[in-house]
Amino acid sequence: KAGVTQTPRYLIKTRGQQVTLSCSPISGHRSVSWYQQTPGQGLQFLFEYFSETQRNKGNFPGRFSGRQFSNSRSEMNVSTLELGDSALYLCASSLVSGDFETQYFGPGTRLLVL
Amino acid sequence: KNQVEQSPQSLIILEGKNCTLQCNYTVSPFSNLRWYKQDTGRGPVSLTIMTFSENTKSNGRYTATLDADTKQSSLHITASQLSDSASYICVVRPDTGTASKLTFGTGTRLQVTL
Repeated sequence: KAGVTQTPRYLIKTRGQQVTLSCSPISGHRSVSWYQQTPGQGLQFLFEYFSETQRNKGNFPGRFSGRQFSNSRSEMNVSTLELGDSALYLCASSLVSGDFETQYFGPGTRLLVL
Repeated sequence: KNQVEQSPQSLIILEGKNCTLQCNYTVSPFSNLRWYKQDTGRGPVSLTIMTFSENTKSNGRYTATLDADTKQSSLHITASQLSDSASYICVVRPDTGTASKLTFGTGTRLQVTL
């Protein structure tokens, strides 16, 4: 079974631009979560989608948004980029959304904002 | 505020040696605790998961321990190999909530050298 894939793997943008990141979960997985990873903060939860519905959202500004399609693929969008948005963005999928569900992470998209 | 602190921040050991990584958390009530391994340029991969009633869980050369009374966990790596070089992240899930409530430590970066 193919793992979680994320595109693009690397991205360079300038302040004020917007960016869209894509995540394809493991086949059959319906839950997709997004995380931001920075060296000082570790992984910070952005949002979780299940069956095209956003179930939870982390403490990020409204510039961060996402969606999930009927095939469970998910996208996240960041508008009006700031220097502080430079980070590794990780997507994780699981079969369902539950306490003991193992999340399988993709390789991430490394975003650099100049 | 729920927190997870890991120590040391980084560690260098010789191949074949053992090492122990620490994780202290304040999350309460507590559901489960996972250790993840994250290779450079890749997403985290789950190593072990323990509930509050479990004291130890092994996965090959990796052994995790949990003391729910003192809110401490450790990950012991036996007979280290070069491939163990990675970041190790401790993640705690509270008793309620979904992925949005996961609290991640900032990780311990382990380097195994010849």
